[in-house]
Amino acid sequence: GENVEQHPSTLSVQEGDSAVIKCTYSDSASNYFPWYKQELGKRPQLIIDIRSNVGEKKDQRIAVTLNKTAKHFSLHITETQPEDSAVYFCAASTTGGFKTIFGAGTRLFVKA
Amino acid sequence: DVKVTQSSRYLVKRTGEKVFLECVQDMDHENMFWYRQDPGLGLRLIYFSYDVKMKEKGDIPEGYSVSREKKERFSLILESASTNQTSMYLCASSSPGHLYEQYFGPGTRLTVT
Repeated sequence: GENVEQHPSTLSVQEGDSAVIKCTYSDSASNYFPWYKQELGKRPQLIIDIRSNVGEKKDQRIAVTLNKTAKHFSLHITETQPEDSAVYFCAASTTGGFKTIFGAGTRLFVKA
Repeated sequence: DVKVTQSSRYLVKRTGEKVFLECVQDMDHENMFWYRQDPGLGLRLIYFSYDVKMKEKGDIPEGYSVSREKKERFSLILESASTNQTSMYLCASSSPGHLYEQYFGPGTRLTVT
């Protein structure tokens, strides 16, 4: 079946450093790629998304890049802060957003 | 502000019991979803619904059924709970008007003993 692979599963960085999380997807019909952040004990929340007609999108300290040819997309967090510590999920979805396939998640630790 | 609520935060049931998990959203969203979340496996789609009385299987529907009698309410049913259904269950809703962003409920941690 279709799947989304996410790496690394755990990432530890020093405060102020950058963090990069990478995902690959298998369904070439995927055209919407959201990223969700889940803090400990809380619900996942959308932090940024990108559509297939765009190669890069930025929102303050976070950015997402998409390479449709290679079926890769990545999340970049710059100047990390302790409050960035959470589990991050990438996802891939086709038109309609019905069958969204999530990656397994990356647990990010930002050390003060 | 979108609100998605789930009937219980924690639930303990015995093997073989019938279990109902309820989800309610207040934003008139067309789409509703049930996921289970397990460590190292991410979020896996059990069932989704794009309209009242409509339902579609997700990736892991075995052992589950759903009901959507009203637009705002989506129920997940475990007909005969088993220990391998111990998990965190997350409900979500979305709408084309919100560009398919999924709004999640707080989750129900179900333990089957």
